[in-house]
Amino acid sequence: KAGVTQTPRYLIKTRGQQVTLSCSPISGHRSVSWYQQTPGQGLQFLFEYFSETQRNKGNFPGRFSGRQFSNSRSEMNVSTLELGDSALYLCASSSGSGASGEKLFFGSGTQLSVL
Amino acid sequence: GQQLNQSPQSMFIQEGEDVSMNCTSSSIFNTWLWYKQDPGEGPVLLIALYKAGELTSNGRLTAQFGITRKDSFLNISASIPSDVGIYFCAGQLVRGSNYKLTFGKGTLLTVNP
Repeated sequence: KAGVTQTPRYLIKTRGQQVTLSCSPISGHRSVSWYQQTPGQGLQFLFEYFSETQRNKGNFPGRFSGRQFSNSRSEMNVSTLELGDSALYLCASSSGSGASGEKLFFGSGTQLSVL
Repeated sequence: GQQLNQSPQSMFIQEGEDVSMNCTSSSIFNTWLWYKQDPGEGPVLLIALYKAGELTSNGRLTAQFGITRKDSFLNISASIPSDVGIYFCAGQLVRGSNYKLTFGKGTLLTVNP
């Protein structure tokens, strides 16, 4: 069973640009969550999508958005990039039952650098 | 919102030593999880705890869910070089369909062979 796939693995952008990150969850999983990881702040929850609908949302500005397609693949978009958006963006998939965190499987992440 | 304090921030130990790390929260969780992250990879779940007082082992790893539901610890016995990595605790409070993990900031473990 293939794991969670995130593309691209690395990205370099400049301030003001926008970026789209992609995540393919484990086959059969309907929930996709996105996290931002930085050395100073650790892992911060961005949002969660389930069946093409945003089900939960963290405390990030509206520049951060996402969507989920009918095949459960998800994309995350960051507009008007700022230097502080440089981070490892992790996607995690789960069955979506919400029962426990043990069903949360992480991808290897996309390392975004904003210059 | 909920915050997790994870300590220590980093540890340098000799191979064969035992190590302990813990997390405390300002509010309760109904699930505690411990993850390990290797360089360049995403976190991998090590142990999940679901009941206050629960003590669970996974090989050389042992974790406990605190009685107050506001804390948890992870012990690694007889450490080996491949234990190197960042260990994260995470708390989860499930209310209907609303659930998300709140992560600690991690403990960086270095094992000297």
